[in-house]
Amino acid sequence: GAVVSQHPSRVICKSGTSVKIECRSLDFQATTMFWYRQFPKQSLMLMATSNEGSKATYEQGVEKDKFLINHASLTLSTLTVTSAHPEDSSFYICSAREAAGGNTEAFFGQGTRLTVV
Amino acid sequence: AQSVTQPDIHITVSEGASLELRCNYSYGATPYLFWYVQSPGQGLQLLLKYFSGDTLVQGIKGFEAEFKRSQSSFNLRKPSVHWSDAAEYFCAVGRTGTASKLTFGTGTRLQVTL
Repeated sequence: GAVVSQHPSRVICKSGTSVKIECRSLDFQATTMFWYRQFPKQSLMLMATSNEGSKATYEQGVEKDKFLINHASLTLSTLTVTSAHPEDSSFYICSAREAAGGNTEAFFGQGTRLTVV
Repeated sequence: AQSVTQPDIHITVSEGASLELRCNYSYGATPYLFWYVQSPGQGLQLLLKYFSGDTLVQGIKGFEAEFKRSQSSFNLRKPSVHWSDAAEYFCAVGRTGTASKLTFGTGTRLQVTL
């Protein structure tokens, strides 16, 4: 159980276009999803917290108009990178948790590698 | 704010040798602690976690970790490393008393020589 799926696993887009990444919880209902970003050879940094049916909470320094997050259902959250530029090239990974309890862990998707050319 | 320090950026061990990867955290209360492994170009795989109870935690692939509150450490160990263990290892701590929103360390890259 507790499977989180991301799609696509890899995407290449042209500079100036927008890209949507999906994060789905396959066998549970995710009240909260988290989006992380990982630059090459670096660690994972939390970008935002997404709660179903409400606006996402962004970490300091993350442009909310650049990285649009929608969590419209209990099994799907999407991250849209708008007007992508080469510096947005990165590995994006989501995680999802089922319940709101403090000791409820989140499960990670397999990640999406975005390359902007 | 919580923080995680992995002092070793890169470690090289011989196949069959023992391994210890260091992790120190900063958090006032009992933390939720995790170790993940990431192979090149891949996502994260959970090796083990500590929430409470026995401070020696067993994980997958023969890994274990020990929570030491007095040292604020959660070091990962394996008695005999296999070549397939070569990867990036991340220690993480749950933020503000949750187990789901994580702060990651900078990672340790493990190289295994044959």
